[in-house]
Order: sequence, then C-alpha cells, then structure tokens
Amino acid sequence: EVQLLESGGGLIQPGGSLKLSCAASGFIFNNYGMSWVRQAPGKGLEWVSSITATDGRTYYADSVKGRFTISRDNSKNTLFLQMNSLRAEDTAVYYCAKDMGSVWAPYFDFWGQGTLVTVSS
Amino acid sequence: SSEVTQDPAVSVALGQTVSITCQGDSLRNYYASWYQQKPGQAPILVIYDENSRPSGIPDRFSGSNSGNTASLTITGAQAEDEADYYCNCRDTSGNYLLFGGGTKLTVL
Repeated sequence: EVQLLESGGGLIQPGGSLKLSCAASGFIFNNYGMSWVRQAPGKGLEWVSSITATDGRTYYADSVKGRFTISRDNSKNTLFLQMNSLRAEDTAVYYCAKDMGSVWAPYFDFWGQGTLVTVSS
Repeated sequence: SSEVTQDPAVSVALGQTVSITCQGDSLRNYYASWYQQKPGQAPILVIYDENSRPSGIPDRFSGSNSGNTASLTITGAQAEDEADYYCNCRDTSGNYLLFGGGTKLTVL
C-alpha cells in the first residue's frame, strides 16, 4: 500500500524558514518523480514544485522560485521542501504527491494527507 | 506560463449526467487529469490519460478531450459524488503544471 506522510508544518513568522518532509512507503521511491502541491485556506490546488526520479531535475512555480528548494533522499525514501523567505500568501496545506504518467499526460496517482503551514506574526 | 479555467460551480439532479469542463491552450497538446476532493480530505485521482480510471473509481466517471477543452463526465451522479473537482495538465511551455480553479459539484 502506497503511503505518503508529510511532516514539518507549523506556525512561522514572515521571513522565516521551514523544511517539510514526506516519508514514502509502499513503492520503489527512486523510480518515481515527486511533487509538492499546496492549497491555501478555502482556495484551490496550486502546483508548487516537482523533482525527477534519479537525475534530480527540479521545477518550480513562479510564485516560489528562488525561495523554495525541493530535494529528495532516495536512500531514506523521503522528499523535502525547504521554504525560505516565507510570506503570508504561502499559508496553505502542503501535499506531497507521487508523479505518474508521461510528458504528454502527467498525473498524481497518490497524495499524502497534507501538512499545514501558517505564516503569521 | 498559461492557465486552465473551470466553471466555479455546477449542479446536477441525483441520477442525472453532468459534465465538468476545463479549458486552456495547453490542452491542445497535453492531456488533463482530474481529481476529486471532499471537505477536509486530500484530493484523489479519478481520471488520467484522458479517459482511464484508477482502481476503485466507479465507471460512471469518464473523461474526454476536444481541442482546447477537457471534460469530466459523471453518468448517473450519486450523492457521494458531491465534491470539488480539479483538472491538471502541463502549461504550454511544458515546464510547469497547472490546476484549474476547481468546480464545486452539488448533487440535488
């Protein structure tokens, strides 16, 4: 059974940093790309960042580029999101998701339950 | 990057058929996937590869693509289908992923 368990969320002041983790199990982690998707309170889903399986190529939404860094530790089956220079608008539930599909038809076949990040003074 | 748009809300009578659409230029080159999200829960995948369903998704859910529009159709909507639905695809550059703004489906 695929499981994705996020952790590391919490209350942080504007300008602060936070590192999210996502522990994966139930599949061969280093065979799959992974992503972070967030959802601000009462709002829709927003793709944040993705990382490929083995060569570690990374992609970011314009809203977080230069402030967030996605990474993975394939030896520990764990995905990370380092978030710096946090802003109030980064307040959201952050979901870890497993990538599937092709260049032409990408999709997320499994999602974690999410971790809440609140940026407030 | 580009964007994909969805109607904010749609309603359907119990047992009837409803289509939820997603429009955007990137859909001319990339297939959409569709996600269902109920309050307080994580999204779940309901359609991928235009019209494939993951294990456990009822066959009343189907998908299609035409031009710049992707559609999710529920044939014989049930009360448990009431949820928010989101489409997702690549943007026209191929480097970003996009979500539509979501459609709130009400089953009457």
